Amino acid sequence: QSVLTQPPSVSGAPGQRVTISCTGSSSNIGKGFDVHWYRQVPGTAPKLLIHGNINRPSGVPDRFSGSKSGTSASLAITGLQAEDEGHYYCQSYDSRLSGSVVFGGGTKVTVL
Amino acid sequence: EVQLVESGGGLAQPGGSLRLSCAASGFNFSNYGMNWVRQAPGEGLEWVSYISSAGITIDYALSVKGRFTISRDNVKNSLYLQMHSLRDEDTAVYYCARDSPLDFDWSFGMDVWGPGTTVTVSS
Repeated sequence: QSVLTQPPSVSGAPGQRVTISCTGSSSNIGKGFDVHWYRQVPGTAPKLLIHGNINRPSGVPDRFSGSKSGTSASLAITGLQAEDEGHYYCQSYDSRLSGSVVFGGGTKVTVL
Repeated sequence: EVQLVESGGGLAQPGGSLRLSCAASGFNFSNYGMNWVRQAPGEGLEWVSYISSAGITIDYALSVKGRFTISRDNVKNSLYLQMHSLRDEDTAVYYCARDSPLDFDWSFGMDVWGPGTTVTVSS
């Protein structure tokens, strides 16, 4: 059981908007720790999509956006494209674990 | 080109040991904190360990504490993970990933990842 909870899967048609939630608690996201998002295509390493809740590294399309409120965070993908398929993970830190890194269980995004 | 490349994976028996390495290139390795993250077959990501840029701050997941040791050699631009008392559940792809140049910088994320090295624990 992951410390951060994500839906197992989300899907959408090309061009649609999908969102992935990441639900934590008062010891991690709710305590003010930042949330990061990664995408992983099967057989490859994860890639950083969003850091510090809302920031996109250079090269990440502006179709990807992050937000955070209370004990939850979200990743939105607008204008969904076939290449967006993969597994998406949120990551934060937890004060009960002395600020150690925690990951969500991952969400599989399918483009219909 | 900024790059991380892991090595040292392989087959180990339960109770055995392995040492993983991660070679860094294309950036000033000594300036950055580093992590080990693993992924069991068909499972999600699990953080394993962190070491700060100078090696002063070190942290472990509870699942590996007391069995794994993280270290780094900033002259050789290399990160290591010494694994002892291996268990079946340690079977995974192990990734090294770059972290912030600053200790306790919660805003940075893991911005560079290696391709991973596979560890299989089985008798």
